[in-house]
Amino acid sequence: NAGVTQTPKFQVLKTGQSMTLQCAQDMNHEYMSWYRQDPGMGLRLIHYSVGAGITDQGEVPNGYNVSRSTTEDFPLRLLSAAPSQTSVYFCASIGLAGGTSYNEQFFGPGTRLTVL
Amino acid sequence: GEDVEQSLFLSVREGDSSVINCTYTDSSSTYLYWYKQEPGAGLQLLTYIFSNMDMKQDQRLTVLLNKKDKHLSLRIADTQTGDSAIYFCAENRGGYQKVTFGTGTKLQVIP
Repeated sequence: NAGVTQTPKFQVLKTGQSMTLQCAQDMNHEYMSWYRQDPGMGLRLIHYSVGAGITDQGEVPNGYNVSRSTTEDFPLRLLSAAPSQTSVYFCASIGLAGGTSYNEQFFGPGTRLTVL
Repeated sequence: GEDVEQSLFLSVREGDSSVINCTYTDSSSTYLYWYKQEPGAGLQLLTYIFSNMDMKQDQRLTVLLNKKDKHLSLRIADTQTGDSAIYFCAENRGGYQKVTFGTGTKLQVIP
């Protein structure tokens, strides 16, 4: 199993540009989520999904869209990038059915995004 | 408050014990976690403790939970240079989307 994969690893955007951060997992996990990590602020939840076709907002959803058309993929879209979205983005997943009772989250390696 | 709090930095000598502290917010949290993040990588679950326990030991790791003070600690015995990383505590307030992470403690191990 590759686990949780993310592309790209690094990205530089200009203000106003759009892009999609890709996330995929091959563990058949129902729950997937996107976090952003900023210095001194820990991880903050952007959006999450409990299964294909179901998404919901987390703590900091503004400026981001998600969709979940398959169990494996959970892309994060920035429609009009702003400097405030400069951050490291992590995708994570949890197996709900038959998963561990303590709900271990499996994280991807992250995408480091800079918006100029 | 809403934040899970940790000190930002800890420096120890190789072979000494490290103690990383965390104050969480919700006394009804079910699970509390310690995640490790190595440079350029995602977070990886190191250990966890269920809220009805006050201690858990796993090889060099000891987790202590004080529910009254909402205080969690991670002790690493015989700290090695490979333990250098950022350590995040997290609490599960009920539901997969309700896991709140602390700010992270950067552990530096001096050879």
